[in-house]
Amino acid sequence: GAVVSQHPSWVICKSGTSVKIECRSLDFQATTMFWYRQFPKQSLMLMATSNEGSKATYEQGVEKDKFLINHASLTLSTLTVTSAHPEDSSFYICSARQGAIYGYTFGSGTRLTVV
Amino acid sequence: QKEVEQNSGPLSVPEGAIASLNCTYSDRGSQSFFWYRQYSGKSPELIMSIYSNGDKEDGRFTAQLNKASQYVSLLIRDSQPSDSATYLCAVTGSGYALNFGKGTSLLVTP
Repeated sequence: GAVVSQHPSWVICKSGTSVKIECRSLDFQATTMFWYRQFPKQSLMLMATSNEGSKATYEQGVEKDKFLINHASLTLSTLTVTSAHPEDSSFYICSARQGAIYGYTFGSGTRLTVV
Repeated sequence: QKEVEQNSGPLSVPEGAIASLNCTYSDRGSQSFFWYRQYSGKSPELIMSIYSNGDKEDGRFTAQLNKASQYVSLLIRDSQPSDSATYLCAVTGSGYALNFGKGTSLLVTP
């Protein structure tokens, strides 16, 4: 089946530094990638939608200059959290849509802790 | 704002019983509906998808959709302790993104 590889699984960084999270579709072309954030005991909240070769569309309230999304190829999308702060600590999950028939495939998630 | 509502639970059922999970959504334009299971600290995993009114069965799981009532449900038959998890209802919104409910915590007791 379709696999989305997400790295790293967990990362601890110092406040003020930047962290890059990668999501790769291993056996299919992901024309659309979705990025979610999940705080403890909360549901997945959509942060942005990225389409290969174009700028990401951010949800209301998500700072596009802080959460940089790059979808340069059909198999790779990255999320960079810039100038991270403790309140950015969360579980970040990517999801690729394969189309109407095959649905969505989720990455394994990245646990970000900012200290 | 498009919303997906679920009872947060916890829903506790004895092993072997039927667990019934419910979800309502606000966007009448939604076309695709999903149930995901999420274990603590893990990514969601797909249980069922349903696209048309009625029932859809897959093993111990049955999804039910009623678009007129904007209601989706998931039945788990012969519940097992390993089914204990949070169940997320997800509905497609604009641009094909999934809108998730807050999830229902299910506890199956031996």
